[in-house]
Amino acid sequence: AQSVAQPEDQVNVAEGNPLTVKCTYSVSGNPYLFWYVQYPNRGLQFLLKYITGDNLVKGSYGFEAEFNKSQTSFHLKKPSALVSDSALYFCAVKPWTGKLIFGQGTTLQVKP
Amino acid sequence: GAGVSQSPRYKVAKRGQDVALRCDPISGHVSLFWYQQALGQGPEFLTYFQNEAQLDKSGLPSDRFFAERPEGSVSTLKIQRTQQEDSAVYLCASSPNRLAGGREELFFGEGSRLTVL
Repeated sequence: AQSVAQPEDQVNVAEGNPLTVKCTYSVSGNPYLFWYVQYPNRGLQFLLKYITGDNLVKGSYGFEAEFNKSQTSFHLKKPSALVSDSALYFCAVKPWTGKLIFGQGTTLQVKP
Repeated sequence: GAGVSQSPRYKVAKRGQDVALRCDPISGHVSLFWYQQALGQGPEFLTYFQNEAQLDKSGLPSDRFFAERPEGSVSTLKIQRTQQEDSAVYLCASSPNRLAGGREELFFGEGSRLTVL
């Protein structure tokens, strides 16, 4: 079965520190990989995606993600967290012609 | 409009009532998706349209759920005889690409929060 795992329900970091939100997946073939962010009572907003090429992809708001094929992971990172980054983050994978499959989400809490 | 628009934003229904949720995708977007997001969970796929054709409805949880997109633009998700377990946020998303969106990211609406009492 195709699935996405976000092993941490919540990640807590201090403002200014680097952050990592983990994601691993189990999907056949070479899927497309995405990160979305959700603020309270809002829809999902696209952050970044990996299609092919460089394993490190850069996205909105200073976020980046590293694709690791051997570990089937796509961790979200940011060098210096902001309080305003506090939100719910979803990793998602998409087989080439299939539907987007989401993880359960990780709440990021950045404290001043 | 500039983005995906969903209405109503909030809906309270008594158990057994029928509800209809509307999605107005970005103009010209070929692919349209409905997802269900239960509290504290990730979105779960319900159904997919390519233009007016419903190509995948494998995620619809029961025959009480029905979706349509008759003219290939606006879509309606209908839930008949609502149950408490139907309480969730229903998200609509669209993409300019065929192939279930292909490599393009999906553009999501803000969702319709359904509460069944």
